[in-house]
Amino acid sequence: EDQVTQSPEALRLQEGESSSLNCSYTVSGLRGLFWYRQDPGKGPEFLFTLYSAGEEKEKERLKATLTKKESFLHITAPKPEDSATYLCAVQAWGGATNKLIFGTGTLLAVQP
Amino acid sequence: DTAVSQTPKYLVTQMGNDKSIKCEQNLGHDTMYWYKQDSKKFLKIMFSYNNKELIINETVPNRFSPKSPDKAHLNLHINSLELGDSAVYFCASSQEAVNEQFFGPGTRLTVL
Repeated sequence: EDQVTQSPEALRLQEGESSSLNCSYTVSGLRGLFWYRQDPGKGPEFLFTLYSAGEEKEKERLKATLTKKESFLHITAPKPEDSATYLCAVQAWGGATNKLIFGTGTLLAVQP
Repeated sequence: DTAVSQTPKYLVTQMGNDKSIKCEQNLGHDTMYWYKQDSKKFLKIMFSYNNKELIINETVPNRFSPKSPDKAHLNLHINSLELGDSAVYFCASSQEAVNEQFFGPGTRLTVL
């Protein structure tokens, strides 16, 4: 069964303290891996899509990487406005190919 | 400009009632989705429509019935509401299966 596990569940950082969030996945055939950011009371906001192992994408202080078993979201010198829940999701080949399977997220708090 | 909008934002109702949530997207996308996010923030797909045709129907009670009058709208009707239906419901849209999905702001449903 396709599955996504995110760790840690929660992470507290000081402003400027870089760290990484992990997304481990088990999928029959990976069509795409997606990262989203969700602020309280709002819908998930798209960040990145990764399609193949070795691929990397960057946006401001965020960088997403992908291997055959996991993805990392690296946060460099975070600011308080980076505080949010970060969600990882996978899309698999076969069956309903546009179905996203989400992890339970990492709640990030960045303190000034 | 609002990309994916949902109404209402909040819905409080009694057990046994019937209610509807409406979703509209102005992105010109051909695929729309309904997701349910539970109290632990786990996001799970319920339905997906492509050009008004149902393509994903997860294991959801048949009290839930989606309707797509055109490819820009996807509504969710829920009959005989139960306490366990309390959650946040998100609508999303994408252009073709492999592309990123854009989410609406969510509808918080509370069943008393």
